Amino acid sequence: EDQVTQSPEALRLQEGESSSLNCSYTVSGLRGLFWYRQDPGKGPEFLFTLYSAGEEKEKERLKATLTKKESFLHITAPKPEDSATYLCAVQATMTGLGFQKLVFGTGTRLLVSP
Amino acid sequence: NAGVMQNPRHLVRRRGQEARLRCSPMKGHSHVYWYRQLPEEGLKFMVYLQKENIIDESGMPKERFSAEFPKEGPSILRIQQVVRGDSAAYFCASSPGTANEKLFFGSGTQLSVL
Repeated sequence: EDQVTQSPEALRLQEGESSSLNCSYTVSGLRGLFWYRQDPGKGPEFLFTLYSAGEEKEKERLKATLTKKESFLHITAPKPEDSATYLCAVQATMTGLGFQKLVFGTGTRLLVSP
Repeated sequence: NAGVMQNPRHLVRRRGQEARLRCSPMKGHSHVYWYRQLPEEGLKFMVYLQKENIIDESGMPKERFSAEFPKEGPSILRIQQVVRGDSAAYFCASSPGTANEKLFFGSGTQLSVL
């Protein structure tokens, strides 16, 4: 069974204090690993997709990396507006192309204090 | 370009009543997904629909739950004879239907069963 485990469950940072979020996964063949951001009362918002080990993607203060067993979301010099829940999800190769049947982790709640 | 629209945002039902959740995908999107988020759990896939077709409903409970995406109008997730365990946030997402890896989520419907 495909599984995604995220750690820590919650993380409190001071503004400017860099850190990393972890996403460990087991999947029967990885088609893609996804990072989403979710604000309270809102739906998830897409951040990144990673397809193969060694791949990296960046967007503003966020950088996502992927190995064969886990992914990291690095947050550099965070600001209060980065406070949100960050969700990791995987898509197995057995699902058809274009079929976004994702298995989500429970997320990391990030709070950045000024 | 309006995003994915879900209504109602909040829905309160008594045990045994029916709940109808609506989702209008983004303009130009023909693929709709429903996910459920239970308290303290990750988003769980329920069903994947294209216009007038259910493609995969493997995540949907066999009884009381049904979904449709008619040729005209929004996608509907219907829950008959609701029970307290159905209380959750229900999110709809849409995609253009290509190999596009990005899902666009609505803000969800929070269902509370009294």
